Amino acid sequence: DAKTTQPTSMDCAEGRAANLPCNHSTISGNEYVYWYRQIHSQGPQYIIHGLKNNETNEMASLIITEDRKSSTLILPHATLRDTAVYYCIVKSQDSGAGSYQLTFGKGTKLSVIP
Amino acid sequence: GAVVSQHPSRVICKSGTSVKIECRSLDFQATTMFWYRQFPKKSLMLMATSNEGSKATYEQGVEKDKFLINHASLTLSTLTVTSAHPEDSSFYICSAWDWGTQYFGPGTRLLVL
Repeated sequence: DAKTTQPTSMDCAEGRAANLPCNHSTISGNEYVYWYRQIHSQGPQYIIHGLKNNETNEMASLIITEDRKSSTLILPHATLRDTAVYYCIVKSQDSGAGSYQLTFGKGTKLSVIP
Repeated sequence: GAVVSQHPSRVICKSGTSVKIECRSLDFQATTMFWYRQFPKKSLMLMATSNEGSKATYEQGVEKDKFLINHASLTLSTLTVTSAHPEDSSFYICSAWDWGTQYFGPGTRLLVL
């Protein structure tokens, strides 16, 4: 699996957009970019994932560069409840269905400030 | 999205006793489930992969006789911490894959006194 690099921490003002970057320069063509977050003392929560195209759901948007070497997770209007550690994970889905685990790095600690 | 539950959410036990943690996929079937452990201020570390109807696969350094895993049905995997010691105190999290996405349980906080 490709290695990812994320900033250790970021601050964001409440109500503003939070843009969390992730570098994955060694990503291969069949690897997806997944984003999860972990709020203190809870299990990780799935946010979004994508392969090549930008993706949007009710939680966030994922922007993947054309060369796929980096991506940005965007929380459009951050709230205090978005304070969490955000993990960017690159993983292939080529393994048999359900047979692959995710490898978590240190993530980015996002603090949303009132 | 799919829902994974865990029970109990928090458990305190005496050193030397065994503790069982349940992980259930509530609205989907999972032939494979994963067990992670997380120590304070650290990231999640995979402990083992639980396979329905067969033996679990353990990561290097994880004692299979201490962390017993049973995946008896397509919706339930259990992790039993046997002869627990204070160093086993941790946050245990399970997960399962559903349609290209891995979903995690809320975690079980284990404190061994």
